[in-house]
Amino acid sequence: GAVVSQHPSRVICKSGTSVKIECRSLDFQATTMFWYRQFPKQSLMLMATSNEGSKATYEQGVEKDKFLINHASLTLSTLTVTSAHPEDSSFYICSARDGGGQETQYFGPGTRLLVL
Amino acid sequence: GQNIDQPTEMTATEGAIVQINCTYQTSGFNGLFWYQQHAGEAPTFLSYNVLDGLEEKGRFSSFLSRSKGYSYLLLKELQMKDSASYLCACMDSNYQLIWGAGTKLIIKP
Repeated sequence: GAVVSQHPSRVICKSGTSVKIECRSLDFQATTMFWYRQFPKQSLMLMATSNEGSKATYEQGVEKDKFLINHASLTLSTLTVTSAHPEDSSFYICSARDGGGQETQYFGPGTRLLVL
Repeated sequence: GQNIDQPTEMTATEGAIVQINCTYQTSGFNGLFWYQQHAGEAPTFLSYNVLDGLEEKGRFSSFLSRSKGYSYLLLKELQMKDSASYLCACMDSNYQLIWGAGTKLIIKP
């Protein structure tokens, strides 16, 4: 149990375009999902916390207008990187929290974004 | 402030035992998690401790002492595939995870 999928696994796009990444909890309902970014050989950096049916809470320094998050259902959250630039190239990972007491976060496999 | 400390890198020998320590200071405490992350992959959940003591799960065990703000992950019978980063994370009073920087474990034959 506790499987989280993420799509696409890898994307290459041109500078200035927008990219949407989907995160789904496959076998549990996730009232809260998280979006992380990780640059090579660096720690996970939390970008935002997404609660179903409400606006996402962004970490300091993360532009909410650039990284649009939608959490329309208990099993789906999306992250859209708008007007992507080469410096946005990174490994984006979502996680979903199992609210059944232990509050464990289960991670999706990640999306590797390369902006040319 | 909130802080998680763990060693940056450790080296161990295949077949041996290694203990990765983690100390924490958080505002409130709702449990401590250990995750494994192989290079280029997302983290995978290993263990969760909220009460003092040792939790054993196969070759991996995790220990917690809340009074000392201390945890360790113990890996036995090390295999080459155990080479990875091990992330310690604490859940604070707001149920937010505070992450350590991770310990890169290198296994040598």
